[in-house]
Amino acid sequence: DADVTQTPRNRITKTGKRIMLECSQTKGHDRMYWYRQDPGLGLRLIYYSFDVKDINKGEISDGYSVSRQAQAKFSLSLESAIPNQTALYFCATSDHGLNQPQHFGDGTRLSIL
Amino acid sequence: AQKITQTQPGMFVQEKEAVTLDCTYDTSDQSYGLFWYKQPSSGEMIFLIYQGSYDEQNATEGRYSLNFQKARKSANLVISASQLGDSAMYFCAMRESPMSTASKLTFGTGTRLQVTL
Repeated sequence: DADVTQTPRNRITKTGKRIMLECSQTKGHDRMYWYRQDPGLGLRLIYYSFDVKDINKGEISDGYSVSRQAQAKFSLSLESAIPNQTALYFCATSDHGLNQPQHFGDGTRLSIL
Repeated sequence: AQKITQTQPGMFVQEKEAVTLDCTYDTSDQSYGLFWYKQPSSGEMIFLIYQGSYDEQNATEGRYSLNFQKARKSANLVISASQLGDSAMYFCAMRESPMSTASKLTFGTGTRLQVTL
């Protein structure tokens, strides 16, 4: 079983719909992150959380919200989806420490028509 | 200013040859970490190798090694004996001092490597 699980893996929806992407992890990490990937732009940070009570905006948080329901669960919501939010979304986790890599889920391909 | 710059959008290498993927970074922190990730066409992000700013030796992990030149602020990934399965996107990323930037990773735009027969 994957250590970091994202659901759904693929989603096609219409403009204006509310969408939730879910992430769960079994690595026991406190730190969780949501990124989006667009062609030619690399990965950009949307939100991150260091524990259940700690939520922080990343560089591109407008149009998104998150919820940290438990240490192992971190969900990303698009309240009213728009076409330029079409992207590949990644959830990641990490342990404390400068040398700790982030561990990524397999991604969610989201298309908004 | 870009914190991580990968100037090679695409690279080709013949099977069994070595290839170097470039990465330069910009930070004023003394303590930072550099990471390389591989993204195959299936989309997942795979951690490859880490180099700390205070590490005196270049990092190595199997066929992957880092050519770390601190004064030049470069951390180039070297893949030796390329294999067809190495064809993928490669991303360089940096984590600056945890106290100042909350342990976030900043990614470059990536280099697409194609290994040919």
